[in-house]
Amino acid sequence: QKEVEQNSGPLSVPEGAIASLNCTYSDRGSQSFFWYRQYSGKSPELIMSIYSNGDKEDGRFTAQLNKASQYVSLLIRDSQPSDSATYLCAAERSTGNQFYFGTGTSLTVIP
Amino acid sequence: KAGVTQTPRYLIKTRGQQVTLSCSPISGHRSVSWYQQTPGQGLQFLFEYFSETQRNKGNFPGRFSGRQFSNSRSEMNVSTLELGDSALYLCASSRSTAQETQYFGPGTRLLVL
Repeated sequence: QKEVEQNSGPLSVPEGAIASLNCTYSDRGSQSFFWYRQYSGKSPELIMSIYSNGDKEDGRFTAQLNKASQYVSLLIRDSQPSDSATYLCAAERSTGNQFYFGTGTSLTVIP
Repeated sequence: KAGVTQTPRYLIKTRGQQVTLSCSPISGHRSVSWYQQTPGQGLQFLFEYFSETQRNKGNFPGRFSGRQFSNSRSEMNVSTLELGDSALYLCASSRSTAQETQYFGPGTRLLVL
């Protein structure tokens, strides 16, 4: 079992729709979670971090964390073609100083 | 504030050679992590340095090594290159405090022929 698992996709949504990206993790002691966006040929850039159960909103992005279910999600509202990228979910190891990354979900927003 | 920088950005080597990659973290960041990214495996953790000490190491052979200097700059070295070492090598820095965030550099794309 991988430490962080994501559906690889590809996920396609029409412009203006909500894109839903999901992630599960195996280290029950993980406390910090991150979503990164990676455009083709570029390095990952941080979108959001979340540390507490519940929702965290930042503009069009909402991260959701459920530690009991070991589940993290990212919702992108009013999806734009510029959101087309690979989204990486990451969890910090419970002992700290190391991050586990999922293999990423490829999102395509269709104009 | 300047971001994480990595040099060189692109590198072509042949099998058996060795390579050294460099990473300068964001000012004030003391933790530097290295990752290998390939299409099939995604982001795989190589190692993490803090205050010139390696704190964590991933499951890579001993051909992969690294170090960190007193100014937090870090280098990684790959000896006896193999074709399978072709990848994007990413460096990420963080303050290494609780609930830290890692910020990535642009990466070094290595091609082994």
